[in-house]
Amino acid sequence: DTAVSQTPKYLVTQMGNDKSIKCEQNLGHDTMYWYKQDSKKFLKIMFSYNNKELIINETVPNRFSPKSPDKAHLNLHINSLELGDSAVYFCASSHVGNQETQYFGPGTRLLVL
Amino acid sequence: GDSVTQMEGPVTLSEEAFLTINCTYTATGYPSLFWYVQYPGEGLQLLLKATKADDKGSNKGFEATYRKETTSFHLEKGSVQVSDSAVYFCALSTGNNNDMRFGAGTRLTVKP
Repeated sequence: DTAVSQTPKYLVTQMGNDKSIKCEQNLGHDTMYWYKQDSKKFLKIMFSYNNKELIINETVPNRFSPKSPDKAHLNLHINSLELGDSAVYFCASSHVGNQETQYFGPGTRLLVL
Repeated sequence: GDSVTQMEGPVTLSEEAFLTINCTYTATGYPSLFWYVQYPGEGLQLLLKATKADDKGSNKGFEATYRKETTSFHLEKGSVQVSDSAVYFCALSTGNNNDMRFGAGTRLTVKP
């Protein structure tokens, strides 16, 4: 059973489109995260959600919006995709009392043409 | 702000060679330190961690010691294997607002 899953695994789309990436965790965690990994492998946190409340929001364009329908899901919606959005996006989750130990999903490879 | 700096890669070693990947940190508080590993095509996995000064984290033959005096958390392994080929990330967390900071990652390739 996959602990943290993401769909789709690969996403190729045109500039200007709107797309969503889904994330689900079955670990019973109450905090979820989205990270962006660029072509140089640098990993940067984008968002985290704790009990449906946004905890941190780094300097991410407002074209990116996290949506959490329930504690087990944190989806990432991206409007008006740009070439620079091409990257691998990782979802992660943790317990609020142990946020230092995060479990990561397999990643979604987004390519914007 | 808090940050992590790790040695730039890529690092290429022969099987059974000794591995060191340097990591230093800057933090205002007392962070916990981590090493994550990313195997090809997979997500990040926690490799080891240390939560206070002089603690040593270890797993799968890898070790790292939390050195407060040098603000370092270098990753070492005495004898690497081909299966250790991956990207390694050093990270810190001060526990504030779920904020975890990652280094840029170091790609390790081990050749038979």
